[in-house]
Amino acid sequence: GNSVTQMEGPVTLSEEAFLTINCTYTATGYPSLFWYVQYPGEGLQLLLKATKADDKGSNKGFEATYRKETTSFHLEKGSVQVSDSAVYFCALGVRDYTGANSKLTFGKGITLSVRP
Amino acid sequence: DGGITQSPKYLFRKEGQNVTLSCEQNLNHDAMYWYRQDPGQGLRLIYYSQIVNDFQKGDIAEGYSVSREKKESFPLTVTSAQKNPTAFYLCASNQNYGYTFGSGTRLTVV
Repeated sequence: GNSVTQMEGPVTLSEEAFLTINCTYTATGYPSLFWYVQYPGEGLQLLLKATKADDKGSNKGFEATYRKETTSFHLEKGSVQVSDSAVYFCALGVRDYTGANSKLTFGKGITLSVRP
Repeated sequence: DGGITQSPKYLFRKEGQNVTLSCEQNLNHDAMYWYRQDPGQGLRLIYYSQIVNDFQKGDIAEGYSVSREKKESFPLTVTSAQKNPTAFYLCASNQNYGYTFGSGTRLTVV
């Protein structure tokens, strides 16, 4: 089956620090990979995605590279801001045999707090 | 603007009662999903629907029911059979991996 494993949290950083959040996966077929962000009391927003091996997703200074050889999709940002404080979810989706849209499988999420 | 509307934002239920959470989308997406979020457990799939009048159980469907009579609407009923319903519930829709989430409903059993 499909599964996503995220590093344990929470993570607390000072502003302008470097961020890495690890994500590894197991999947049948050829998954697409996603990072979602959730701000307090809100739903999830797509942060970035990659649909095939070696693709790099990027958005708002965040980056993640789809590494098939290590089955990983680690999230990085060179300089975090207080406004980046949120919960971050790694997720994967695999289309079913009909090619139809797939349900996403999520990691447990990790809370990031950035101090001024 | 297109999006997903979940209502209400907060909901209180007495033990033994059924309660229905609303989810409406105007994105013309075929697929819709209900997830449950608990602290430290991420998101778990309750039910999903890939087309009108059809839906499938997710990983934790027991104690829940859904309907999909219209493309725009995918209501979730939390029945009295759900042993621990207090949680944050998220609805989502999808078209070719363009997932959009609603802002959630926080259900509390009192």
